[in-house]
Amino acid sequence: GAVVSQHPSRVICKSGTSVKIECRSLDFQATTMFWYRQFPKQSLMLMATSNEGSKATYEQGVEKDKFLINHASLTLSTLTVTSAHPEDSSFYICSARELAGVVEQYFGPGTRLTVT
Amino acid sequence: AQSVAQPEDQVNVAEGNPLTVKCTYSVSGNPYLFWYVQYPNRGLQFLLKYITGDNLVKGSYGFEAEFNKSQTSFHLKKPSALVSDSALYFCAVRDIGIPPGGSYIPTFGRGTSLIVHP
Repeated sequence: GAVVSQHPSRVICKSGTSVKIECRSLDFQATTMFWYRQFPKQSLMLMATSNEGSKATYEQGVEKDKFLINHASLTLSTLTVTSAHPEDSSFYICSARELAGVVEQYFGPGTRLTVT
Repeated sequence: AQSVAQPEDQVNVAEGNPLTVKCTYSVSGNPYLFWYVQYPNRGLQFLLKYITGDNLVKGSYGFEAEFNKSQTSFHLKKPSALVSDSALYFCAVRDIGIPPGGSYIPTFGRGTSLIVHP
C-alpha cells in the first residue's frame, strides 16, 4: 500500500520558536494533502487541505499565519508552526491522496509536538 | 452536508468473542465509507472501504464491515477478537459526487476505543 512518512516523529521546542513538520508520500504522487490535529482521546480535527502548487485551504478557526502550509511538490508538504505556544502542543497527522478521483487517504505516523 | 456518528466512546469485549463497532452516516448522495484504526501515538491505518457492489466488505486483519443503506450504517465487525485489536477505530464518510453541501474531503467520526480483554 501507499506509504506516507512524517518527520520528525516528535519534537520539543521552546515557546516563541517555530517548528517545521514534513510530510512525504513515498511511493505515489499526492495531489492533495491534509493536515490534522488530534488532542488526547479525541477525534481528528482537519486543519487545512492543500493541493500541489496551490495555496492551502484552511478550516474555520485555524490561523493561516500561525500554521503555514506549503505543498511545493507532488511528494512533499510542510506544516510550520510559527511562534509556538504551549497550547499548540498536540499530535499532528498528515494525510495524502493520490488523485481527486481516488478515494483513499493514506496517513502519516504523526508528529508529537511539545512546546515548553 | 455529510456527517458520521460513532455512538460508542468505548467497546469492551473478551478475547475470542465477536466484536462490533458501530457507525452511522448521513450524506446528500451516495456514500464512500471507510474504517481506519489508530494505535497509540501512531497515525491512522486504512482497514477497509465501501464504494459500490457487495454490501459486505472484507478488510485487513480479519475485519469486515456491512453497508446497510436503509439503516445508513456501516458497522465494523470481527468474528473473534484479539487483544492486539485494542486500538482507536475511526469511521469516515464522503459523498461519491459533489452535490451541494458535499465534499471530496471525508468526515471522520469521533472514534471508538476498542478494548479486548484477555
